Amino acid sequence: EDKVVQSPLSLVVHEGDTVTLNCSYEVTNFRSLLWYKQEKKAPTFLFMLTSSGIEKKSGRLSSILDKKELFSILNITATQTGDSAIYLCAVDSFSGNTGKLIFGQGTTLQVKP
Amino acid sequence: GAVVSQHPSRVICKSGTSVKIECRSLDFQATTMFWYRQFPKQSLMLMATSNEGSKATYEQGVEKDKFLINHASLTLSTLTVTSAHPEDSSFYICSARPQGAPITDTQYFGPGTRLTVL
Repeated sequence: EDKVVQSPLSLVVHEGDTVTLNCSYEVTNFRSLLWYKQEKKAPTFLFMLTSSGIEKKSGRLSSILDKKELFSILNITATQTGDSAIYLCAVDSFSGNTGKLIFGQGTTLQVKP
Repeated sequence: GAVVSQHPSRVICKSGTSVKIECRSLDFQATTMFWYRQFPKQSLMLMATSNEGSKATYEQGVEKDKFLINHASLTLSTLTVTSAHPEDSSFYICSARPQGAPITDTQYFGPGTRLTVL
């Protein structure tokens, strides 16, 4: 059975700290791995990773994929209170002529002032 | 950028009634839309894949007669929760993948609909 596992499930840090969120997966027909940030509504897209070892970066956020070891990490440096959210990892799995997203449980990040 | 809307954003209904949720791609056409459900403090669970002009594909454990999906056009998919019960109370989110987009292209999410069944 396909699964995506995130850790930790929750995390409390102070502003300025650096955090690393983990995502491991066992998914057949892997196409890509995606990271999303969810606040009060639907998830907003952060990164899509398809190749191993290539870091994607956006401001203080970065992510990398290891397709051999089947995991990805999301790093947030110099955290701010606005980074408080649920971070979701999802794997896009090819099925027939469409793909579907399999989500992990999410990591709830709380950044304290 | 690609925008997906959902209507209504919030709905409260009585047990036993049916509720329809609309998902629209506003500036692109989508042959495939997806419906997810998210319970409090849990992740998104795919319910079904909606294909324009054909029957939806439901995930294991999702009752197709209870959650009716209609993908009537390339910009609209609807989810109808029939005979709703309090345990159906959840956050329902749709997403859409642009027609003709590369297979590795991302899905675009709607803002979600919060359903409360009394």
